[in-house]
Amino acid sequence: TQLLEQSPQFLSIQEGENLTVYCNSSSVFSSLQWYRQEPGEGPVLLVTVVTGGEVKKLKRLTFQFGDARKDSSLHITAAQPGDTGLYLCAGDTTGGFKTIFGAGTRLFVKA
Amino acid sequence: EAGVAQSPRYKIIEKRQSVAFWCNPISGHATLYWYQQILGQGPKLLIQFQNNGVVDDSQLPKDRFSAERLKGVDSTLKIQPAKLEDSAVYLCASSLAGLSSYNEQFFGPGTRLTVL
Repeated sequence: TQLLEQSPQFLSIQEGENLTVYCNSSSVFSSLQWYRQEPGEGPVLLVTVVTGGEVKKLKRLTFQFGDARKDSSLHITAAQPGDTGLYLCAGDTTGGFKTIFGAGTRLFVKA
Repeated sequence: EAGVAQSPRYKIIEKRQSVAFWCNPISGHATLYWYQQILGQGPKLLIQFQNNGVVDDSQLPKDRFSAERLKGVDSTLKIQPAKLEDSAVYLCASSLAGLSSYNEQFFGPGTRLTVL
């Protein structure tokens, strides 16, 4: 069974701090997505990473896909209260059409 | 571009009752997903359609859950009879991808089901 483990499960920080969220698996994925979900809403796609070692930046968010395509990280610089939410990673199985979701990291940024 | 639509947004029922959820995906999206998200957890795939055919329903509790996607567009998910542990948010998502390498999914707002 393929699993995606996210850590930490919960993170509470002050505005302006930096943080990193991790997404790990023993399986190889053809691509991986990061989503953010706010209370009462569905997840919203932030980014897709496809190539091993790939780094993508979205304003203050930096996403990295591991060289072996088994893990990924999300780094937020100078977090703001608007970054509060549930961050989910989702990996697409190689050669297939199945997407596996992690359990998420719940981030709370205090003003 | 209109997003994924779901209804109702909220539903409260008693155990052993039946309930149905409706989803209208983004126009042109061939793949449609139903997820169950229990509070504090990530989404769990219940069923995935490619057009009007089922691709994956391995985690669908088929004794009580059913889903259909007539004409490859709208979809309904039904629970009959409901149990207390079915209380969750039911998310519908759609994607352009068929049997391709990555599946960027667009989610609806979800239906929050409470079973009393």
